[in-house]
Formats: sequence, structure tokens, C-alpha cells
Amino acid sequence: DQQVKQNSPSLSVQEGRISILNCDYTNSMFDYFLWYKKYPAEGPTFLISISSIKDKNEDGRFTVFLNKSAKHLSLHIVPSQPGDSAVYFCAFNSGNTGKLIFGQGTTLQVKP
Amino acid sequence: DAGVTQSPTHLIKTRGQQVTLRCSPKSGHDTVSWYQQALGQGPQFIFQYYEEEERQRGNFPDRFSGHQFPNYSSELNVNALLLGDSALYLCASSFLEANVLTFGAGSRLTVL
Repeated sequence: DQQVKQNSPSLSVQEGRISILNCDYTNSMFDYFLWYKKYPAEGPTFLISISSIKDKNEDGRFTVFLNKSAKHLSLHIVPSQPGDSAVYFCAFNSGNTGKLIFGQGTTLQVKP
Repeated sequence: DAGVTQSPTHLIKTRGQQVTLRCSPKSGHDTVSWYQQALGQGPQFIFQYYEEEERQRGNFPDRFSGHQFPNYSSELNVNALLLGDSALYLCASSFLEANVLTFGAGSRLTVL
């Protein structure tokens, strides 16, 4: 029972262009949505989040979009930088419980 | 601020053995969660400890057990190891079961 799907295992973009990472979910009880970034040999680090009452949240170069009717979450990175190259995980929760359901991850490569 | 620290970083065990992994949460955090990340997958929730009690548990067998100490540090124990237990084990901490978790770099377990 896979509640969360990141359908693109990898993504390659040119430096300065936009990176768009996507995540689909099935559980309509999810009300808090997060993105984490993971570099090799490090733990995942929190990037940005959004609650179900919003459809957009921005933090510098990073914007998260939530489409509740389509059960779709996306992360936009503009402009992309080589240091953004990492594995990106979407994560979901219902209630403020700290129990997160993670997607499978998308490996982003930003080429100079 | 040392963040979340985990030990050991790597270890190798054989089938049937037992293993104990350790975690010290970020300063100021009182809740510890453990996740298992298999190769090519996202982290999967094992369980969460708060006030020295297991508060939530994911879909993992009883071979997986844990403990939280009065100083908020935690241990993850796995008995009767199987080959399929080979994974990166991530510890995450938060304050009051919040959704934004701070992860450690993980303990890489290989079962032969």
C-alpha cells in the first residue's frame, strides 16, 4: 500500500534553470507536507513545508505547491545551482504527530 | 549545536545476531523517532519515543524494539537479524512530536 509516489527517480537540469520535483499521494487525511534534501553520507535535512490550508509556500529559491484536489505536491527550485544536487524526498503527515510517510526520492543533478 | 548524533556509523553483523544502535537528540529536543532506509527507498517509520515511552509504531515486527532514557537519548535494538534488515537506520529528533524532524547521519547496518 504505497501512499506516496515520486514517479521520477532522477532529474537533470542546467544551472540557472528551474527544477520541478513532483509527488503524488493517495491518503486524503494528510494535512502537512514537507520536502527534505539528502546529500550522500548525511541525514535528510528539512527544506520547506506547507499545511493543507495553503496551496503555496515560498522560501527564497524554493517554492512548494499543493494541489489537494489532484493530491499532488511539487517543489520548484529557481534558479537551480550545482549545490542543489541531492536526493529530494517528499514527506507527509496527518496531525502533528511527527510520524512522516516518505516518498521514494528523486535524485536531482544540476549541471554547471 | 551538535545536532543529532548516531553511533556506530557502520557495522556488520551475521544473520541471527542482535544489534543495538544509539542516538543522541539535538539539544532542546525531547522526542526521538527511528526510520529504516533501504537502498533506493525513502525512510520508513519504525517507532517514536516521547517521555521514555513508545508513542507510535510503524509496520515493523517485534524484533525491533527501543528505549528512551531520561536524558532523551535513545536506543534501537534489532534481534534475530535477517538479511533484509540491511539498511541505513536514521534517528530523528523533534520537540513535542512536531512534524519538522532533525535527522542524524544514520547507522549503516549490513547483515551477512
